Amino acid sequence: QKEVEQDPGPLSVPEGAIVSLNCTYSNSAFQYFMWYRQYSRKGPELLMYTYSSGNKEDGRFTAQVDKSSKYISLFIRDSQPSDSATYLCAMIRWDSWGKFQFGAGTQVVVTP
Amino acid sequence: DTGVSQDPRHKITKRGQNVTFRCDPISEHNRLYWYRQTLGQGPEFLTYFQNEAQLEKSRLLSDRFSAERPKGSFSTLEIQRTEQGDSAMYLCASSGDQGSTEAFFGQGTRLTVV
Repeated sequence: QKEVEQDPGPLSVPEGAIVSLNCTYSNSAFQYFMWYRQYSRKGPELLMYTYSSGNKEDGRFTAQVDKSSKYISLFIRDSQPSDSATYLCAMIRWDSWGKFQFGAGTQVVVTP
Repeated sequence: DTGVSQDPRHKITKRGQNVTFRCDPISEHNRLYWYRQTLGQGPEFLTYFQNEAQLEKSRLLSDRFSAERPKGSFSTLEIQRTEQGDSAMYLCASSGDQGSTEAFFGQGTRLTVV
């Protein structure tokens, strides 16, 4: 079983809809959580990071962490075709700071 | 310096040849990371540096792989005696000291071993 599980999709939504993405993890040592966006054949781009349970908002993006359930989410409001990409969750253990553990990524397609 | 720079962007090599990739991190960043990504998968950790010190290496990093960061600035990743299974995107990232969770990735070097 992988330490970080993420549904690979693809997830297809109409323009303007809310995109809901999530990851589950098995190890409670993970303390810091990030979401990256990756366009085809490009490097991952950091969208958001958080370390506490609860919600964090940045523009159209909301990151949610539930440490008791070992579950993190990313919501994208008012989705645009330019949001079509693969979204990767990543997390860091407190005892292995340099080693980011990534999910497999969810492919999102926003149709006009 | 607006981001992490990797060179080359693409590399095609014959099986058994050696290849070397370069990464130039964001100038004020002390930490530098190497990851490998195959199609449909998330990046897998290979190794990371704090300044010139290599602090952790993955078991994925066999003895054919070596990484250096001699002056605590740019880094190189060398693969000796390449195998077809080495074909992947090799990603470099950098961040500030421990406590900084903002790691910024380069565009990657896509390696194809034929």
